[in-house]
Amino acid sequence: QKEVEQDPGPLSVPEGAIVSLNCTYSNSAFQYFMWYRQYSRKGPELLMYTYSSGNKEDGRFTAQVDKSSKYISLFIRDSQPSDSATYLCAVIQGAQKLVFGQGTRLTINP
Amino acid sequence: DAGVIQSPRHEVTEMGQEVTLRCKPISGHDYLFWYRQTMMRGLELLIYFNNNVPIDDSGMPEDRFSAKMPNASFSTLKIQPSEPRDSAVYFCASGPGAQTFGSGTRLTVV
Repeated sequence: QKEVEQDPGPLSVPEGAIVSLNCTYSNSAFQYFMWYRQYSRKGPELLMYTYSSGNKEDGRFTAQVDKSSKYISLFIRDSQPSDSATYLCAVIQGAQKLVFGQGTRLTINP
Repeated sequence: DAGVIQSPRHEVTEMGQEVTLRCKPISGHDYLFWYRQTMMRGLELLIYFNNNVPIDDSGMPEDRFSAKMPNASFSTLKIQPSEPRDSAVYFCASGPGAQTFGSGTRLTVV
């Protein structure tokens, strides 16, 4: 079993829709959870990170962690074509090691 | 700060040749990471350094791969001899905490 599982998609939604991206993880010891966004032919860039359970909001983006079910979510409200990218969830294992999900390719259609 | 700088951006080489990828981390960051990204396997950590010392190289696929960090501002990832299955995008990232990624080197081995 992979440590972090993520549906690779692709996911295609109309502009303005609410997008839900999800990951599951296997190790209940993980405490830090991150979402990276990767545009085509670019490196991943950190979008949001959360510690332990709960929600964190940043503009149109909300990250949610449910440690009881080992579930990580990213919600995008009022989605824009510029949000079209691959979204990767990640957990921190040990001191600094990141373990990434497969990434979900998202397309927002105008 | 110019961010994490990788060179070259693209590399095409013949099977059996030596390939050297280069990375300059963000000044002051004491962690440096090398990743490989493919469609099949996603983003995989190859090796990471802390204060120029290799900490975890368990992701290095085989002895053909080696990485060095002679000083705080420079690291190399070398593949010798290269094989077609090494074709991928190689990313360097620096931290601590949330890692900042470079733009990657797209390697094609023919």
